[in-house]
Amino acid sequence: EAGVAQSPRYKIIEKRQSVAFWCNPISGHATLYWYQQILGQGPKLLIQFQNNGVVDDSQLPKDRFSAERLKGVDSTLKIQPAKLEDSAVYLCASSLAAGPTDTQYFGPGTRLTVL
Amino acid sequence: KNEVEQSPQNLTAQEGEFITINCSYSVGISALHWLQQHPGGGIVSLFMLSSGKKKHGRLIATINIQEKHSSLHITASHPRDSAVYICAVLGFGQGNLIFGKGTKLSVKP
Repeated sequence: EAGVAQSPRYKIIEKRQSVAFWCNPISGHATLYWYQQILGQGPKLLIQFQNNGVVDDSQLPKDRFSAERLKGVDSTLKIQPAKLEDSAVYLCASSLAAGPTDTQYFGPGTRLTVL
Repeated sequence: KNEVEQSPQNLTAQEGEFITINCSYSVGISALHWLQQHPGGGIVSLFMLSSGKKKHGRLIATINIQEKHSSLHITASHPRDSAVYICAVLGFGQGNLIFGKGTKLSVKP
C-alpha cells in the first residue's frame, strides 16, 4: 500500500513570498490533516478535512494560510505571504475516518525555510 | 501549561539499556498514541491505547487512565531506536490529536 505522499520535500523562500505544498493521502482515506511542526515542538494541527469539507481549522492563521481539498482526495496548503516564523516542517496525515481508533498515517513532510 | 507533557526531553542511553519515556496529560481522553519520528521528518505510529498495555517486539506501551499517565518502554535498546518519540492524545469528543513536544532518544553503540 502506498503511503502519504508530499511534495516538495524542501523549500526555501524569502519572506513575503508565496508557497504551496501538496499532499496525496492513502487511497480511500476520508480524513486528511495538515500539521505545522516548529523545530523542537510537537506537531500542531492547522486544518482537518473530512472528504472535501473542513472539520477543524481553528488554528489555521487564515490571514495568510489557506488549504483546499476540492475533490476529497489530494490537498494543497498555501502560505501567502510567508513570514520568518512560518519556517517549520509541514506534515500531512490521513486516516480512514476520524474516530478514536483510526490510526493517522503521516507523510514525510515538507521542510520550509523562510529567509 | 501544556495539555500533554513528556519526560525526559532528551535521553541518551547505551546499547542494551532498558528505556522508559513518560507522558502525562491533563484532559479526558478517548485514546493515546505513541509516535516515532526519525531525522528527516517521517512519523510512524507505534501504538494506540485506550487502556492497559500493548507490546510490539521490544516496545511496550502502558496507560493508567485514572492517573492520566502513559509510559513507553524499549527493552534491549539499539542505536536504530534513536529517534524522537511523541505522545499524542485524542480528547473526548475531539477529532484531532494534541501532541507533546517529544522525547529525543539517542542510543550509543
